[in-house]
This record gives sequence, structure tokens and C-alpha cells, in this order.
Amino acid sequence: DSGVTQTPKHLITATGQRVTLRCSPRSGDLSVYWYQQSLDQGLQFLIQYYNGEERAKGNILERFSAQQFPDLHSELNLSSLELGDSALYFCASSKTQGPIYNEQFFGPGTRLTVL
Amino acid sequence: AQKVTQAQTEISVVEKEDVTLDCVYETRDTTYYLFWYKQPPSGELVFLIRRNSFDEQNEISGRYSWNFQKSTSSFNFTITASQVVDSAVYFCALSERAAGANSKLTFGKGITLSVRP
Repeated sequence: DSGVTQTPKHLITATGQRVTLRCSPRSGDLSVYWYQQSLDQGLQFLIQYYNGEERAKGNILERFSAQQFPDLHSELNLSSLELGDSALYFCASSKTQGPIYNEQFFGPGTRLTVL
Repeated sequence: AQKVTQAQTEISVVEKEDVTLDCVYETRDTTYYLFWYKQPPSGELVFLIRRNSFDEQNEISGRYSWNFQKSTSSFNFTITASQVVDSAVYFCALSERAAGANSKLTFGKGITLSVRP
């Protein structure tokens, strides 16, 4: 158990819908990262937050957005869902951001299926 | 831009065989970090090892060993005397220090290892 929790574990929805994925980082971790794992794109970095502020963006679609709340939990919002958004979404957390490297610990993931 | 290449896509071995998973990386940064993660059939990502670019010492942990060679930009992973429980997808990943606040991980495509009894 990494200490990172993600809810829900599974999510099945229809095209055009909007969903929210939730992540609670490990106790004491200030950085949260979101990754998407799909069959065609592999594991890709989406976005990073540090202590409530967005710090880095990767290949995140405009239909997707995220935020980190004062209690440090984070939510990833996916809207106008398409079939291709079906994937496993991971959240990871670490104590700090660079330059001193701290391990990223991954949550169990949320499997999103868009029908 | 950073890139990780895992040329092997699937490897199948018989239990007790040794197996090496290859990883080649590209980066312009002089300080970077390399990782291996394991993803068993249950789906979670399990951290195995981190190696700093300034530390080329090879590492052994039980049946696992890692060979880091800066000269060839490779960070290979060997499992000795493989077991069925080693069956999983293995990812190599890279993080650049120069990115500062951006310590994202760039993953390879992964290698599916199947260990047959």
C-alpha cells in the first residue's frame, strides 16, 4: 500500500458525460501528479500540482482540468468524454518538487470506461 | 526532450531462467534520475528502484540487479532465477532535474514479462 488513495476504483460512463476522479496524497506529500495509461499512448504525464498551485502540464487535453485543494487532495475533471478517454488514470504524490528528488508513489488508479 | 525506449515488448521465459529487460534513454540534462516500476496484473504501479545520473554503481537487491551505463545511455534490469510472481509489465522511466519544478516521469512503453512454470 503506497498510502495514495484514489476513488472511485472503476467508473463506467457514456460519451459526452463529465466525471471527477479524486486523489488523496500520502500524509505530508505536497506534490500531486496525474498520469494516464492507455493502450495506444502508454503511460503519459498529464499535470502536476504543488501545494495548491499548478506546476507543470503535460499532454493534457483542454477538456480535462484538475485542481488541488487546501487539504492537498486533488481532483481530475474530465468532460465531454470520448471513447478514446477510456484509460487507467493514476495519481502519484511526492514530498516536494525539484531540485531534490523525492520518490513518486502511485495510487491504485481509477479505470475509466467510456461507452 | 527526454525519451525512454524499451525495445522489447514481450518476453516469455521458463521459471528459474535469468532475464534482462533493456532500457535506453535520451536526455539533454546532465543530472537526471532513472527508475524501474513494476505493474502486476492487478494494475498498480510498484516502485522498484531509482538511480541518480551521477551514481553509476550497479545495484543488486535479492534476485534483482540493475546495470546503469552512461556511455550507452542504458539502464538495464536483470531478474535472476525468475519466478511466476515476476510476471508483470515493467516500465523504465526518466526524470530530468533541470526541469526544476517539473519532475514528471517519462515512461517507456513497457515490457510484458511472462514467466511460465
